[in-house]
Amino acid sequence: AQKVTQAQTEISVVEKEDVTLDCVYETRDTTYYLFWYKQPPSGELVFLIRRNSFDEQNEISGRYSWNFQKSTSSFNFTITASQVVDSAVYFCALSGGGGADGLTFGKGTHLIIQP
Amino acid sequence: GAVVSQHPSWVICKSGTSVKIECRSLDFQATTMFWYRQFPKQSLMLMATSNEGSKATYEQGVEKDKFLINHASLTLSTLTVTSAHPEDSSFYICSARRGTGSRQPQHFGDGTRLSIL
Repeated sequence: AQKVTQAQTEISVVEKEDVTLDCVYETRDTTYYLFWYKQPPSGELVFLIRRNSFDEQNEISGRYSWNFQKSTSSFNFTITASQVVDSAVYFCALSGGGGADGLTFGKGTHLIIQP
Repeated sequence: GAVVSQHPSWVICKSGTSVKIECRSLDFQATTMFWYRQFPKQSLMLMATSNEGSKATYEQGVEKDKFLINHASLTLSTLTVTSAHPEDSSFYICSARRGTGSRQPQHFGDGTRLSIL
């Protein structure tokens, strides 16, 4: 069975601070994909990143960066110089079956950026 | 722009009514679509995998007679909540995968908020 754990239910920081959202996963698949999605109050899911299990390179996209470590089964997400518009619920998700299966989501982290 | 369209975005209806939600892939063929449910302040839970031309595969604990899924074409999957009751009130969201390769990403619709009175 697959499992995604986001231990941080809610994080509140002041604007311009850096913040890291943790994600730990469990799977028996050797090939899998990891995702991060942003869900603003309006409800739609905004895709942020997809990473396959064979690519452990860290990735940076503007103020966003991701740290994938297979040794600790973690796929953490860092926002640098946070902004109020970053406030949302962030979900980490896992797709097994080589990526062909539906996604298993974590419980989400509610990020609040205070001005 | 959006590549997956979900309709309606919001539904309020009386208990006992059946509600149909549509999920369309706009510019690609989707042999596989997925249906998720999200209760307030909770995570998204996979309900079923919808395969074009065949029966849907339901996750454990999801009643297939309650949640009817039809994937009659390569661009459309429908979820019908039959005889809906207040406990079925939730946010339903679909996703579609381009082609059949496992490397293909899933594209999500904007979701449907279902409120049963």
